[in-house]
Amino acid sequence: SQQGEEDPQALSIQEGENATMNCSYKTSINNLQWYRQNSGRGLVHLILIRSNEREKHSGRLRVTLDTSKKSSSLLITASRAADTASYFCATARQGGANSKLTFGKGITLSVRP
Amino acid sequence: DTEVTQTPKHLVMGMTNKKSLKCEQHMGHRAMYWYKQKAKKPPELMFVYSYEKLSINESVPSRFSPECPNSSLLNLHLHALQPEDSALYLCASSQSPRDRGVSEQFFGPGTRLTVL
Repeated sequence: SQQGEEDPQALSIQEGENATMNCSYKTSINNLQWYRQNSGRGLVHLILIRSNEREKHSGRLRVTLDTSKKSSSLLITASRAADTASYFCATARQGGANSKLTFGKGITLSVRP
Repeated sequence: DTEVTQTPKHLVMGMTNKKSLKCEQHMGHRAMYWYKQKAKKPPELMFVYSYEKLSINESVPSRFSPECPNSSLLNLHLHALQPEDSALYLCASSQSPRDRGVSEQFFGPGTRLTVL
């Protein structure tokens, strides 16, 4: 079963606006990651936040993590048409040889020029 | 070099064919992954190799056979596939799994597979 559940499932905004996407998960995690996927292409890693971190920034991206609520949010500021893509959160549980990522269902973001 | 390459980009095969997908990375990563992704769905993990040894098989049918010849290469051998196996097959790599959990994964562009 999938660990992460993003909402909304689809988001349409105007260029220049901020986009906020949320992810909820069910079990304890080691870290949570966000990925972007342009149509039919491979995934691109955006940001990783560890379970002992609450907030992280990377350029126009801001990620928060609330382990008590088992939720994370991804904020993209000053959006651009090029940000149009699908966004996935992915959770990583404990490490070792059986480490793996479990992806949420994804959010489709459309940024209108 | 932070690139994962996959060949071929597109593959059309019949149900009786045997084909292989190839993946290569030169980042020194010792964990490599195969995912299957259907349209408008998230990637589904199929296999994980850690230090060239199969560490996770997510109950994948035997018509999919992975192989890791060395630390840079990962193959997925296909035989007697079904039309429902048509999907985007993604390869990824990451630093070796450690106690702190999976680090960021680098994905290839994928192979678009169509089974007739």
